Amino acid sequence: KAGVTQTPRYLIKTRGQQVTLSCSPISGHRSVSWYQQTPGQGLQFLFEYFSETQRNKGNFPGRFSGRQFSNSRSEMNVSTLELGDSALYLCASSSPGTGGEQYFGPGTRLTVT
Amino acid sequence: AQSVTQLGSHVSVSEGALVLLRCNYSSSVPPYLFWYVQYPNQGLQLLLKYTSAATLVKGINGFEAEFKKSETSFHLTKPSAHMSDAAEYFCAVSAGSNDYKLSFGAGTTVTVRA
Repeated sequence: KAGVTQTPRYLIKTRGQQVTLSCSPISGHRSVSWYQQTPGQGLQFLFEYFSETQRNKGNFPGRFSGRQFSNSRSEMNVSTLELGDSALYLCASSSPGTGGEQYFGPGTRLTVT
Repeated sequence: AQSVTQLGSHVSVSEGALVLLRCNYSSSVPPYLFWYVQYPNQGLQLLLKYTSAATLVKGINGFEAEFKKSETSFHLTKPSAHMSDAAEYFCAVSAGSNDYKLSFGAGTTVTVRA
C-alpha cells in the first residue's frame, strides 16, 4: 500500500498571503488528522476529519481551516500568514477504531518571510 | 484531558548500550499510549502502542515499552543501541480507540556514539 502523501513538500510564502496544503491518506483510511510541528511548541494537533466532517479541532485561530473530500483526501488552508506559522505541517491517516495509531506523511515545510 | 511528559530532551548512548527513554502520562480515562520516531526530514513512524491489553508491548526495531499504571509511566527501552537508532522519539497519548487527537510529549533526541 502506498503511504500518506503530502504536497507540496516545501513552500515559501510572504506574510499576509494564504496557503493550501494537500494530503492523500492511505487507501481505505477515512480519518485524516493534521499537526503543526515547530521547535518552540513541538507537535500540536490542528484538526481531524472523518467522512468529510471535522470531528475534533485543536486550539488554533480561525485562520487555520481544513476540509476533506469524498475520496478522503484532505486540504488545510492558512489565511493571512504570519511569521509564526512557519512550521512543518504533518498529515496522518488512520483506519476506524484505531485511535492514535496514525500513519504520517513526510510533511510540508512552510516558511513564511 | 490527556498529556504526556518526556523526561530528558537529549539522551546520548554508546553503540550496544541500553536505550531508556522516559515518559509519564496524565489521563482522565484509561489511556492509549504510543511511541513514535522521527528521522531527519521525515514524518513520524509508529514504534509501538499500548491499548489496554498486555502491559509489556513489543514494537519494531527491537524496542519495547512497559505500561505501569501505579507509576503513570510508559518508558521505552532497547537492550542494545544501534547507530541507526539516532533520531527523535515522541511519546503520545489519546483517549481511546475513537479518539484521533494525539497529545505529544516534547520529544527526546537520541545520539548514538560509536
